[in-house]
Amino acid sequence: GAGVSQSPSNKVTEKGKDVELRCDPISGHTALYWYRQSLGQGLEFLIYFQGNSAPDKSGLPSDRFSAERTGGSVSTLTIQRTQQEDSAVYLCASTSTGYSNQPQHFGDGTRLSIL
Amino acid sequence: AQSVTQLGSHVSVSEGALVLLRCNYSSSVPPYLFWYVQYPNQGLQLLLKYTTGATLVKGINGFEAEFKKSETSFHLTKPSAHMSDAAEYFCAPYGNNRLAFGKGNQVVVIP
Repeated sequence: GAGVSQSPSNKVTEKGKDVELRCDPISGHTALYWYRQSLGQGLEFLIYFQGNSAPDKSGLPSDRFSAERTGGSVSTLTIQRTQQEDSAVYLCASTSTGYSNQPQHFGDGTRLSIL
Repeated sequence: AQSVTQLGSHVSVSEGALVLLRCNYSSSVPPYLFWYVQYPNQGLQLLLKYTTGATLVKGINGFEAEFKKSETSFHLTKPSAHMSDAAEYFCAPYGNNRLAFGKGNQVVVIP
């Protein structure tokens, strides 16, 4: 597809379960970002991947959160032992390069609800 | 770290009236600045950006913003609001490998 694709679009799970969220960036884009959007905290940065460089994980809120990017393309964000405060919309974005003047292209997000 | 202030979480504007959304950034070093719009249940869409060069930047849907270094501001305007402008708007500088979003302005357009 032409845009950033995220799946699933909605996820409902019970507290304590693990979840995996997927992001397919625009083809050829080398930089990929994850953000979280919640009512209380607004839009928060989680993690940044650029090419083969080590990711910037400084935004991950706890060690329950992890992310990987395989083959420089698809990324998976994993949340272990989910808590109710993890309920949010998780947004993925990609850019053609890692240069800071490049606009980020966002997917429609995954709405995560923890019961 | 970069940060921005967007005043007025909810902004009501009459159809056909001026839209003005204020954004002030914190850094003494002019950052790269972006305005994004978010429609319900969608991701963020770029409206416009300032990187270098001309300080008056034109974007999509008739929006524009002016970068003013002396005021550390990057306010977003549109001369005449349309019903389709009802959405949430975010100002964000880029720095330290991330966009640092403001709290956003929810714009309501009154017919």
